[in-house]
Amino acid sequence: AAGVIQSPRHLIKEKRETATLKCYPIPRHDTVYWYQQGPGQDPQFLISFYEKMQSDKGSIPDRFSAQQFSDYHSELNMSSLELGDSALYFCASSPGLAEDTQYFGPGTRLTVL
Amino acid sequence: DQQVKQNSPSLSVQEGRISILNCDYTNSMFDYFLWYKKYPAEGPTFLISISSIKDKNEDGRFTVFLNKSAKHLSLHIVPSQPGDSAVYFCAASARKKSSGDKLTFGTGTRLAVRP
Repeated sequence: AAGVIQSPRHLIKEKRETATLKCYPIPRHDTVYWYQQGPGQDPQFLISFYEKMQSDKGSIPDRFSAQQFSDYHSELNMSSLELGDSALYFCASSPGLAEDTQYFGPGTRLTVL
Repeated sequence: DQQVKQNSPSLSVQEGRISILNCDYTNSMFDYFLWYKKYPAEGPTFLISISSIKDKNEDGRFTVFLNKSAKHLSLHIVPSQPGDSAVYFCAASARKKSSGDKLTFGTGTRLAVRP
């Protein structure tokens, strides 16, 4: 079965640079969620989109923005990167009204030097 | 403010025996609960879920029990297998009318199944 696809899987950036993470949800899933997992921590919710509209927002820094496109893929844009942004970033998708279970992608490991 | 707690950071069980992982929550708005299994550097893999209208859900070797009055849920794995060794996260959500809501995760329990 098709799963959530995230790219890139690994990303290394310098401080103050920008990064773009991409997420391709499971086909026919209309809801996308972004989570951040720091070292030794549990995943923390950042932001979600339902039918291309932002549906919920968590502890996402103002330096980050995200959107969901017409084909339902989503991109997380991160600017003025800081050392503390180094983390695993997970994208999850769900069928929305049909089911509430979120299915996660393999994650993008971002390292800020 | 940790709304979902897994008080046991680790658990070691003999192969073939039962593994019981526990989770407590404080937010009474949570009405959907999930368990995920996670390996290092991989995304969480969905195992099983339960709605607040139920007190038990079973899927193969995995059973989740929900005690709403105690705000407690548990995951039972029977029989445990070495391949079950991983970190297990409990997660909860307060579902909105229009879509599934964000997940709030527990801190995880590392399960080791000894051969």
